[in-house]
Amino acid sequence: DGGITQSPKYLFRKEGQNVTLSCEQNLNHDAMYWYRQDPGQGLRLIYYSQIVNDFQKGDIAEGYSVSREKKESFPLTVTSAQKNPTAFYLCASSNLTSDYYNEQFFGPGTRLTVL
Amino acid sequence: DAKTTQPNSMESNEEEPVHLPCNHSTISGTDYIHWYRQLPSQGPEYVIHGLTSNVNNRMASLAIAEDRKSSTLILHRATLRDAAVYYCILRVAVAGGYQKVTFGTGTKLQVIP
Repeated sequence: DGGITQSPKYLFRKEGQNVTLSCEQNLNHDAMYWYRQDPGQGLRLIYYSQIVNDFQKGDIAEGYSVSREKKESFPLTVTSAQKNPTAFYLCASSNLTSDYYNEQFFGPGTRLTVL
Repeated sequence: DAKTTQPNSMESNEEEPVHLPCNHSTISGTDYIHWYRQLPSQGPEYVIHGLTSNVNNRMASLAIAEDRKSSTLILHRATLRDAAVYYCILRVAVAGGYQKVTFGTGTKLQVIP
């Protein structure tokens, strides 16, 4: 089945450690995105990528890093510089079209807890 | 960025229609209106989108005001599985063709059996 996978579903880390969240898609989508969601809040864009080897900062990129070496993969690293890393992280992908319509497909999310 | 305003929460009885409102008074002519919903502890899923005309699909209907400053998502018969947070968002075109999306806090829909 086509879709987006994120692993792991739950992740615990000690404060001061870097951690990498996985996101893989087999939808052949060009664009991929990372969002952060805090309890009772909406989604905030961390990074996005429209093409392999290129990515752009979103609204809250500080303390995060990404790479896009393959079309299917867009891992997110939460660094020790991120002040408040405990959150629900969502990865999404979409096609880029010229008619301003491109539905985003979301993964199941990774809930990161920093102790 | 054009923003949307939605009520924080709404209630509906099961099997009854639900009208979820969204205001987007600063919408521009090329912004599409999209609706997503998010079930607890899951990623959001696409519901429907539109530009100017009303739209129907198997999940819902979207009614767009003539001036496009507001829209309403209509669930024709609410079920318990429709209990979720519903996000109204605008697809804003920016340089390079990437369409930035901003998710607000959405409307939490509670369906009462």
